[in-house]
Amino acid sequence: GQQLNQSPQSMFIQEGEDVSMNCTSSSIFNTWLWYKQDPGEGPVLLIALYKAGELTSNGRLTAQFGITRKDSFLNISASIPSDVGIYFCAGNTGTASKLTFGTGTRLQVTL
Amino acid sequence: DTGVSQDPRHKITKRGQNVTFRCDPISEHNRLYWYRQTLGQGPEFLTYFQNEAQLEKSRLLSDRFSAERPKGSFSTLEIQRTEQGDSAMYLCASSLALGPNSPLHFGNGTRLTVT
Repeated sequence: GQQLNQSPQSMFIQEGEDVSMNCTSSSIFNTWLWYKQDPGEGPVLLIALYKAGELTSNGRLTAQFGITRKDSFLNISASIPSDVGIYFCAGNTGTASKLTFGTGTRLQVTL
Repeated sequence: DTGVSQDPRHKITKRGQNVTFRCDPISEHNRLYWYRQTLGQGPEFLTYFQNEAQLEKSRLLSDRFSAERPKGSFSTLEIQRTEQGDSAMYLCASSLALGPNSPLHFGNGTRLTVT
């Protein structure tokens, strides 16, 4: 099935550093969502974006819906060990909530 | 907080056997989704229900797969004559259909291993 392209695929950073990851698509999306998934668990919603250009924050997380509606980025400031996990972007194109997911960015945080 | 609940969490079965998974959505959510996730990949859409009506099915959902949501509450996903390629995490999600702005909330999945 179709998936969005996320980069980087993986990141190793030190605690306290800022992190940036992005997601691109060949299709226009109406909604962009960012999820975090821990091993053996389901994805947990972090941020939802509904309008092109929208910039939304959730604590140390900030995400933006690209103007072209074909991309989105997620920033994490001052990373902590519990930020470790896989981050997925997801988008939908229609009126239903069916999502297309990205390939994931695996984040590792070292002390 | 009663999130999306899935049962069982893990299932090991032999090739050719049938398996059934259950999902209980968040109680006020009228949309329910099934996704499949293989190792190293993002979840892929399988099917979704609005209330008891199954509104869309992915091409990934072969004839061996069937999903039901008989009373518009919990849902079951059955896989008949399992194959090794069916090994994956099966995720259920639910949302409230108020319009396009209704994010999905996922359960913790059922991990299926077909030997």
